[in-house]
Amino acid sequence: EAQVTQNPRYLITVTGKKLTVTCSQNMNHEYMSWYRQDPGLGLRQIYYSMNVEVTDKGDVPEGYKVSRKEKRNFPLILESPSPNQTSLYFCASSLSPGGNYNEQFFGPGTRLTVL
Amino acid sequence: DQQVKQNSPSLSVQEGRISILNCDYTNSMFDYFLWYKKYPAEGPTFLISISSIKDKNEDGRFTVFLNKSAKHLSLHIVPSQPGDSAVYFCAAFDGGYQKVTFGTGTKLQVIP
Repeated sequence: EAQVTQNPRYLITVTGKKLTVTCSQNMNHEYMSWYRQDPGLGLRQIYYSMNVEVTDKGDVPEGYKVSRKEKRNFPLILESPSPNQTSLYFCASSLSPGGNYNEQFFGPGTRLTVL
Repeated sequence: DQQVKQNSPSLSVQEGRISILNCDYTNSMFDYFLWYKKYPAEGPTFLISISSIKDKNEDGRFTVFLNKSAKHLSLHIVPSQPGDSAVYFCAAFDGGYQKVTFGTGTKLQVIP
Protein backbone atom coordinates (compact mmCIF):
# COMPACT_ATOMS: atom_id res chain seq x y z
CA GLU A 1 0.00 0.00 0.00
CA ALA A 2 1.33 3.41 -1.01
CA GLN A 3 1.74 5.49 2.10
CA VAL A 4 3.63 8.03 4.15
CA THR A 5 4.35 6.97 7.71
CA GLN A 6 5.32 9.13 10.64
CA ASN A 7 6.53 8.19 14.09
CA PRO A 8 5.67 8.82 16.79
CA ARG A 9 2.04 9.81 16.38
CA TYR A 10 1.94 11.49 19.77
CA LEU A 11 4.81 12.90 21.82
CA ILE A 12 4.98 14.89 25.02
CA THR A 13 8.41 16.20 25.91
CA VAL A 14 10.13 18.92 27.91
CA THR A 15 11.91 22.06 26.82
CA GLY A 16 15.42 21.45 25.53
CA LYS A 17 15.25 17.70 25.11
CA LYS A 18 16.30 16.83 21.57
CA LEU A 19 13.82 14.81 19.55
CA THR A 20 13.39 13.36 16.07
CA VAL A 21 10.17 12.70 14.21
CA THR A 22 10.66 10.15 11.48
CA CYS A 23 8.98 10.17 8.08
CA SER A 24 9.13 7.48 5.45
CA GLN A 25 7.43 7.01 2.07
CA ASN A 26 7.29 3.91 -0.11
CA MET A 27 6.32 5.57 -3.42
CA ASN A 28 9.83 6.49 -4.64
CA HIS A 29 8.86 10.16 -4.49
CA GLU A 30 11.50 12.80 -5.05
CA TYR A 31 9.83 15.67 -3.21
CA MET A 32 9.27 15.55 0.54
CA SER A 33 8.15 18.23 2.92
CA TRP A 34 7.34 18.99 6.55
CA TYR A 35 4.44 21.16 7.68
CA ARG A 36 3.05 22.30 10.96
CA GLN A 37 -0.63 22.99 11.50
CA ASP A 38 -1.71 25.56 14.06
CA PRO A 39 -5.19 26.99 14.76
CA GLY A 40 -5.96 29.92 12.51
CA LEU A 41 -2.67 29.58 10.63
CA GLY A 42 -3.36 26.59 8.43
CA LEU A 43 -0.48 24.49 7.17
CA ARG A 44 2.91 26.14 7.11
CA GLN A 45 5.89 24.61 5.39
CA ILE A 46 8.94 24.05 7.60
CA TYR A 47 11.45 22.42 5.26
CA TYR A 48 11.33 20.65 1.94
CA SER A 49 13.60 18.40 -0.08
CA MET A 50 13.68 17.96 -3.83
CA ASN A 51 15.90 14.90 -3.71
CA VAL A 52 18.58 13.11 -1.71
CA GLU A 53 20.97 15.57 -0.06
CA VAL A 54 18.92 18.54 -1.37
CA THR A 55 16.97 20.40 1.29
CA ASP A 56 15.73 23.95 1.62
CA LYS A 57 13.92 26.15 4.09
CA GLY A 58 10.20 26.66 3.97
CA ASP A 59 8.33 29.49 5.62
CA VAL A 60 8.95 28.60 9.28
CA PRO A 61 12.32 26.78 9.54
CA GLU A 62 13.58 28.32 12.80
CA GLY A 63 14.26 25.71 15.47
CA TYR A 64 14.13 22.75 13.09
CA LYS A 65 16.61 20.66 11.13
CA VAL A 66 16.12 18.03 8.47
CA SER A 67 18.21 15.58 6.53
CA ARG A 68 17.65 13.53 3.38
CA LYS A 69 20.26 10.79 3.22
CA GLU A 70 17.94 8.30 1.57
CA LYS A 71 15.14 8.93 -0.89
CA ARG A 72 12.47 7.34 1.28
CA ASN A 73 13.28 9.02 4.62
CA PHE A 74 13.02 12.63 5.72
CA PRO A 75 13.37 13.03 9.49
CA LEU A 76 12.52 16.25 11.31
CA ILE A 77 14.88 17.15 14.14
CA LEU A 78 14.20 19.55 17.00
CA GLU A 79 17.58 20.12 18.66
CA SER A 80 16.19 22.12 21.58
CA PRO A 81 12.40 22.10 21.56
CA SER A 82 10.50 25.03 23.02
CA PRO A 83 6.81 25.38 23.95
CA ASN A 84 6.10 27.42 20.79
CA GLN A 85 6.87 24.29 18.80
CA THR A 86 3.85 22.57 20.29
CA SER A 87 1.87 21.76 17.17
CA LEU A 88 0.52 19.13 14.80
CA TYR A 89 3.17 18.09 12.30
CA PHE A 90 2.67 16.52 8.88
CA CYS A 91 5.13 14.97 6.52
CA ALA A 92 4.24 14.83 2.84
CA SER A 93 5.71 13.54 -0.39
CA SER A 94 5.06 13.89 -4.11
CA LEU A 95 6.49 12.45 -7.29
CA SER A 96 7.70 15.83 -8.44
CA PRO A 97 7.58 19.31 -6.96
CA GLY A 98 5.56 20.84 -9.75
CA GLY A 99 3.06 20.42 -12.51
CA ASN A 100 0.67 17.53 -12.73
CA TYR A 101 2.67 15.53 -10.24
CA ASN A 102 2.48 18.09 -7.49
CA GLU A 103 -0.21 16.18 -5.64
CA GLN A 104 1.21 15.54 -2.19
CA PHE A 105 0.53 12.48 -0.08
CA PHE A 106 0.42 13.26 3.62
CA GLY A 107 1.28 11.19 6.64
CA PRO A 108 -1.21 10.80 9.51
CA GLY A 109 0.37 13.56 11.61
CA THR A 110 2.41 13.80 14.81
CA ARG A 111 0.92 15.65 17.76
CA LEU A 112 3.83 17.22 19.67
CA THR A 113 3.51 18.91 23.06
CA VAL A 114 6.53 20.67 24.55
CA LEU A 115 6.19 21.50 28.25
CA ASP B 1 2.44 37.91 5.12
CA GLN B 2 -0.23 35.41 4.16
CA GLN B 3 0.10 34.83 0.42
CA VAL B 4 -2.84 32.43 0.27
CA LYS B 5 -5.98 33.35 2.15
CA GLN B 6 -9.20 31.57 2.89
CA ASN B 7 -11.33 34.27 4.45
CA SER B 8 -14.17 32.03 5.59
CA PRO B 9 -13.10 29.89 8.55
CA SER B 10 -16.33 27.91 8.37
CA LEU B 11 -19.29 27.19 6.11
CA SER B 12 -22.56 25.34 6.65
CA VAL B 13 -24.59 23.95 3.75
CA GLN B 14 -27.68 21.77 3.46
CA GLU B 15 -27.24 18.33 1.97
CA GLY B 16 -27.90 18.38 -1.76
CA ARG B 17 -27.08 22.07 -2.17
CA ILE B 18 -23.94 23.63 -3.62
CA SER B 19 -20.91 24.34 -1.43
CA ILE B 20 -18.60 27.12 -2.60
CA LEU B 21 -15.24 27.51 -0.92
CA ASN B 22 -13.10 30.50 -1.79
CA CYS B 23 -9.40 31.20 -1.84
CA ASP B 24 -7.46 34.38 -2.67
CA TYR B 25 -3.76 34.72 -3.37
CA THR B 26 -1.33 37.58 -3.80
CA ASN B 27 1.69 36.03 -5.53
CA SER B 28 1.33 36.22 -9.31
CA MET B 29 4.16 33.67 -9.67
CA PHE B 30 1.98 30.82 -8.45
CA ASP B 31 1.48 28.49 -11.40
CA TYR B 32 -0.42 25.55 -9.95
CA PHE B 33 -3.24 25.39 -7.45
CA LEU B 34 -4.59 22.48 -5.44
CA TRP B 35 -7.37 21.70 -2.99
CA TYR B 36 -6.96 19.26 -0.13
CA LYS B 37 -9.55 17.83 2.23
CA LYS B 38 -8.77 16.98 5.83
CA TYR B 39 -10.76 14.88 8.26
CA PRO B 40 -10.03 15.02 12.01
CA ALA B 41 -7.08 12.87 13.14
CA GLU B 42 -5.97 12.27 9.54
CA GLY B 43 -3.54 13.88 7.15
CA PRO B 44 -4.87 16.03 4.29
CA THR B 45 -5.77 14.22 1.09
CA PHE B 46 -5.58 15.63 -2.40
CA LEU B 47 -8.90 16.55 -3.97
CA ILE B 48 -8.46 18.46 -7.22
CA SER B 49 -5.98 20.78 -8.91
CA ILE B 50 -5.74 23.33 -11.69
CA SER B 51 -2.93 24.76 -13.73
CA SER B 52 -2.62 28.51 -14.06
CA ILE B 53 -3.14 28.21 -17.81
CA LYS B 54 -6.67 26.92 -17.26
CA ASP B 55 -9.74 28.51 -15.75
CA LYS B 56 -11.75 25.43 -14.85
CA ASN B 57 -11.18 21.82 -13.91
CA GLU B 58 -13.91 19.32 -13.09
CA ASP B 59 -13.83 15.95 -11.38
CA GLY B 60 -17.20 14.43 -10.59
CA ARG B 61 -18.97 16.57 -8.01
CA PHE B 62 -15.95 18.84 -7.60
CA THR B 63 -15.08 21.79 -9.83
CA VAL B 64 -12.31 24.30 -9.31
CA PHE B 65 -12.47 27.71 -10.96
CA LEU B 66 -9.50 30.01 -11.37
CA ASN B 67 -9.72 33.74 -12.04
CA LYS B 68 -6.14 34.87 -12.56
CA SER B 69 -6.94 38.54 -13.02
CA ALA B 70 -8.66 38.58 -9.64
CA LYS B 71 -6.14 36.16 -8.09
CA HIS B 72 -9.04 34.09 -6.88
CA LEU B 73 -9.97 30.44 -7.00
CA SER B 74 -13.01 28.61 -5.78
CA LEU B 75 -14.06 25.03 -5.18
CA HIS B 76 -17.64 24.04 -5.99
CA ILE B 77 -19.13 20.85 -4.58
CA VAL B 78 -22.43 19.82 -6.16
CA PRO B 79 -24.41 18.19 -4.68
CA SER B 80 -22.98 18.44 -1.18
CA GLN B 81 -23.07 15.29 0.93
CA PRO B 82 -22.62 14.79 4.70
CA GLY B 83 -19.38 12.91 4.00
CA ASP B 84 -17.97 16.13 2.52
CA SER B 85 -17.89 17.65 6.02
CA ALA B 86 -14.19 18.36 6.58
CA VAL B 87 -11.61 21.13 6.55
CA TYR B 88 -10.62 22.22 3.05
CA PHE B 89 -7.25 23.76 2.31
CA CYS B 90 -6.29 25.50 -0.88
CA ALA B 91 -2.62 25.44 -1.83
CA ALA B 92 -0.53 27.27 -4.39
CA PHE B 93 2.71 26.18 -5.99
CA ASP B 94 5.51 28.52 -7.03
CA GLY B 95 7.47 26.74 -9.76
CA GLY B 96 10.34 29.19 -9.49
CA TYR B 97 11.05 28.53 -5.83
CA GLN B 98 9.59 24.99 -5.87
CA LYS B 99 7.53 25.85 -2.80
CA VAL B 100 3.96 25.15 -1.79
CA THR B 101 1.93 27.64 0.26
CA PHE B 102 -1.28 26.59 1.98
CA GLY B 103 -4.25 28.67 3.03
CA THR B 104 -5.65 28.69 6.55
CA GLY B 105 -8.49 26.30 5.78
CA THR B 106 -12.30 26.39 5.70
CA LYS B 107 -14.32 24.00 7.82
CA LEU B 108 -17.30 22.76 5.81
CA GLN B 109 -20.30 21.27 7.54
CA VAL B 110 -22.94 19.60 5.37
CA ILE B 111 -26.19 19.29 7.28
CA PRO B 112 -28.34 16.24 6.48
